[in-house]
Amino acid sequence: AQSVTQLDSQVPVFEEAPVELRCNYSSSVSVYLFWYVQYPNQGLQLLLKYLSGSTLVKGINGFEAEFNKSQTSFHLRKPSVHISDTAEYFCAVSEGHQGAQKLVFGQGTRLTINP
Amino acid sequence: GAGVSQSPRYKVAKRGQDVALRCDPISGHVSLFWYQQALGQGPEFLTYFQNEAQLDKSGLPSDRFFAERPEGSVSTLKIQRTQQEDSAVYLCASSSNLGQGFDGYTFGSGTRLTVV
Repeated sequence: AQSVTQLDSQVPVFEEAPVELRCNYSSSVSVYLFWYVQYPNQGLQLLLKYLSGSTLVKGINGFEAEFNKSQTSFHLRKPSVHISDTAEYFCAVSEGHQGAQKLVFGQGTRLTINP
Repeated sequence: GAGVSQSPRYKVAKRGQDVALRCDPISGHVSLFWYQQALGQGPEFLTYFQNEAQLDKSGLPSDRFFAERPEGSVSTLKIQRTQQEDSAVYLCASSSNLGQGFDGYTFGSGTRLTVV
């Protein structure tokens, strides 16, 4: 069965500092990988996705992630964070098939930006 | 519509009451998913529809949970005889199926269910 591990439950950083949110997954087949952001009392918003092709994926709000198959990782990075990036971030995986498949989510990482 | 719409936004139910949660997916989206998100946790899969067919209901936690999508568009998640452990945010997501995979999932804002 697939599983997703987000190694840090909370990450505090100062404004304008770089940040990396770590995500590892386990799967025996090819996968699709996603990062979602959730602001308080809101649903999930897609930051970026990896389906195939280039392993470096760029998303919205200046975020990017790199797919590393050998390390089964998909870490999220941003070179300079803003107060508005304070939110919960979820990594998710689905098996790569034709058509939509269910997502398996990590437990989430709470990113707190301090001024 | 422009996005996935869920109603009600908030629901408070007395223990033992039945509830029905509605999801309006993006027009034309074939796939529809329901997820349950407990406080402080990541969302967990409940069930999946492709058009009107419920292809996977392996995540439904008990036979008190029932979902339907009779015309392949709007879906309803029903919970009978609610229990306190059912308190969670229920998220709906939809997706279009392309020929070689898909372009991702769009989530609604969720329904926050509180059972008292």
